[in-house]
Amino acid sequence: ETGVTQTPRHLVMGMTNKKSLKCEQHLGHNAMYWYKQSAKKPLELMFVYSLEERVENNSVPSRFSPECPNSSHLFLHLHTLQPEDSALYLCASSQDMGRSSNGYTFGSGTRLTVV
Amino acid sequence: SQQGEEDPQALSIQEGENATMNCSYKTSINNLQWYRQNSGRGLVHLILIRSNEREKHSGRLRVTLDTSKKSSSLLITASRAADTASYFCATETYNNNDMRFGAGTRLTVKP
Repeated sequence: ETGVTQTPRHLVMGMTNKKSLKCEQHLGHNAMYWYKQSAKKPLELMFVYSLEERVENNSVPSRFSPECPNSSHLFLHLHTLQPEDSALYLCASSQDMGRSSNGYTFGSGTRLTVV
Repeated sequence: SQQGEEDPQALSIQEGENATMNCSYKTSINNLQWYRQNSGRGLVHLILIRSNEREKHSGRLRVTLDTSKKSSSLLITASRAADTASYFCATETYNNNDMRFGAGTRLTVKP
């Protein structure tokens, strides 16, 4: 375990479903991130939270809705997704936003399949 | 947007050989980091090199940084089958709130 826990590990959902991805860290980090990883493509930054405030929304469709209730938890709420949204969704944290002297700590990801 | 770009996209070597992966980037950076990802898992931080550093070592890993060429290399010496994974470079800049990753190099080490 890296210290960043993501649940569920795998998720299959229909295009009309509503589901949520959860990320939890108890590393005392102040910044948390959602990344999307599709096959053979660079990691795509989706959202950045610093001290529970969203500081970046990287042109992500509104069918993805993040929530950061406290500095240890980050959610990604999903609704009416498309098959092309199928990917590995990775959560990461760092001590502070944009200045990760020790790098980012990633969770193991949620493999999402939209059918 | 993508910042780092790894080369080659895929590399296959025999156990015991050295593996070299390269990364190029476009803008001035604060630091450059290398990560490893086993299939379908999260990324694991390997090493960070700051913009004022030229070389860094960690165990069997050696990273170089040439800011004039905007490039970095990761050398894994005496490779093992367990080194089989994808390797990503990522850059932190002075302006962005996050790191930007490349598409990675897929390394296969044959026993």
